[in-house]
Amino acid sequence: AQRVTQPEKLLSVFKGAPVELKCNYSYSGSPELFWYVQYSRQRLQLLLRHISRESIKGFTADLNKGETSFHPKKPFAQEEDSAMYYCALGGATNKLIFGTGTLLAVQP
Amino acid sequence: KAGVTQTPRYLIKTRGQQVTLSCSPISGHRSVSWYQQTPGQGLQFLFEYFSETQRNKGNFPGRFSGRQFSNSRSEMNVSTLELGDSALYLCASSDWTGGHGYTFGSGTRLTVV
Repeated sequence: AQRVTQPEKLLSVFKGAPVELKCNYSYSGSPELFWYVQYSRQRLQLLLRHISRESIKGFTADLNKGETSFHPKKPFAQEEDSAMYYCALGGATNKLIFGTGTLLAVQP
Repeated sequence: KAGVTQTPRYLIKTRGQQVTLSCSPISGHRSVSWYQQTPGQGLQFLFEYFSETQRNKGNFPGRFSGRQFSNSRSEMNVSTLELGDSALYLCASSDWTGGHGYTFGSGTRLTVV
């Protein structure tokens, strides 16, 4: 069965500290992993996709097929990073399975 | 270029009524998906359309339906509304594969009273 797990509902860090969001997935086929971010009162925005390996807003992530994980990291958190982050699994079916989300709170 | 546009932004309906929500995808995107977002269930997939054909459907009752027009615009309809249908309904568009990610609209906030 397709499943996405985000183990942390809330992640609180101080400004300037490193941050790592966590996402594990379960999928029998060839997965496509995404991270979306939702800032307060704004629409969901694509943050990362595993196929591009590009860095967006300072976050980078590598798909680890062995551990079925896709954890984005940022070396120095900023207050403007405070938002809700969702991991999503896509694949051949052209639908996204979302995790339950992680609220990142960056304290000043 | 213009993003994904959803109308209306807000709706208040009474139990038992029906509602139609509209989504205009990014120009050139032929795939349109719909999602329901609630505090309790999170983001759940409703259905996906490509070239006017429903390619995939989530686990929602038959009261939830949709369609896509030849210009790729899509509508979703919910009949016989229930209180539990109150949610933010999101539309997302993508290219034909979806592998480059989905662009979401701002959503329609439906409140059923």
